[in-house]
Amino acid sequence: GDSVTQMEGPVTLSEEAFLTINCTYTATGYPSLFWYVQYPGEGLQLLLKATKADDKGSNKGFEATYRKETTSFHLEKGSVQVSDSAVYFCALSHFSGGYNKLIFGAGTRLAVHP
Amino acid sequence: GAGVSQSPSNKVTEKGKDVELRCDPISGHTALYWYRQSLGQGLEFLIYFQGNSAPDKSGLPSDRFSAERTGGSVSTLTIQRTQQEDSAVYLCASSLEGQGIATNEKLFFGSGTQLSVL
Repeated sequence: GDSVTQMEGPVTLSEEAFLTINCTYTATGYPSLFWYVQYPGEGLQLLLKATKADDKGSNKGFEATYRKETTSFHLEKGSVQVSDSAVYFCALSHFSGGYNKLIFGAGTRLAVHP
Repeated sequence: GAGVSQSPSNKVTEKGKDVELRCDPISGHTALYWYRQSLGQGLEFLIYFQGNSAPDKSGLPSDRFSAERTGGSVSTLTIQRTQQEDSAVYLCASSLEGQGIATNEKLFFGSGTQLSVL
């Protein structure tokens, strides 16, 4: 079945460091791909998405490119801030039974230190 | 309200007791999802409601789990005879219709209920 695999955390970085969180997926068809972020004490919120191959999603300095050839959607940011500390979830859309649901990876915790 | 509201935010219960978790979706949202977030695991889909249609219960892990949605709005997830492996964060999410979340529709999550079974 469809699935998402993320790199294990925690990822610990100093402020202004470069961030990469790897995400690969297995899916039938052509899913949309998402990154969700969960800040401490808050609900998950959409960070960015890409709906077709070679699309790049971007938001708040984060980017991810939908790579069909490598079935990947790696999250990157050039210079992280302490406020980026959160848990990041990669997800894909799965259409079945007449509706879409999201299938999530295990999440990667990011801790950014000053 | 402005967002998806879940209650209680924390619930501690004894093994074997029943618990009820509540979700108030965003007003007007017809699609409602329940997910479970266990330590070290991804978000596990549990159940989906869309309007007055029969729910998709395919993700419920056992017959101890059930959910209902009254009047197409508030949803209650019930876990009977809780076990320690039920300990997790239970997340509720809603969207306007559900079909569009792969493209232009946003999925909004609540802050979750942390369930601890002793």
